[in-house]
Amino acid sequence: ILNVEQSPQSLHVQEGDSTNFTCSFPSSNFYALHWYRWETAKSPEALFVMTLNGDEKKKGRISATLNTKEGYSYLYIKGSQPEDSATYLCASTSYGQNFVFGPGTRLSVLP
Amino acid sequence: SQTIHQWPATLVQPVGSPLSLECTVEGTSNPNLYWYRQAAGRGLQLLFYSVGIGQISSEVPQNLSASRPQDRQFILSSKKLLLSDSGFYLCAYDRGREQYFGPGTRLTVT
Repeated sequence: ILNVEQSPQSLHVQEGDSTNFTCSFPSSNFYALHWYRWETAKSPEALFVMTLNGDEKKKGRISATLNTKEGYSYLYIKGSQPEDSATYLCASTSYGQNFVFGPGTRLSVLP
Repeated sequence: SQTIHQWPATLVQPVGSPLSLECTVEGTSNPNLYWYRQAAGRGLQLLFYSVGIGQISSEVPQNLSASRPQDRQFILSSKKLLLSDSGFYLCAYDRGREQYFGPGTRLTVT
């Protein structure tokens, strides 16, 4: 069974600050790494799916990188806004296995 | 386009009572379907998944069961709820490499 870790568990930043958090996953038999944004009382929203070592994806002020050899991914938010406040989940899939989610990083952006 | 529905949105049930949560998917046929739970302070835990009608796989032993009576319907049940069953339950389906989630059910067992 895969073990996906995320750090930090929670994070408070001021509006305008840039921030990043980490997802680590077992690199053996890796297939894909997923990032989701989860707001309270809503369903998780897919941000990125990455498969190749060195992949970088960007959506507006949010970007992500992937290192499959060492088993980590970073999510970056540039110029955080209050509407970025949410829990950010990562999930790893291996060949023939289901998604395994990390515990999430809860981000609060203070105005 | 595909959509996924869950109900009820919130539920408060006493210990020992039965449970039935329903998930339906529209706009796709023969989807892989999943039930996840997030307990307080923890990540999403996969409970069950189904690759077709009547085909259920359980990831962890627990007080819950799942059924798939129709292609696009997935039901999570319990005969007798425990306090530890409290949490946020999410249904999801696959499309390509992505999973898409329903709106969730907040279950509080008292």
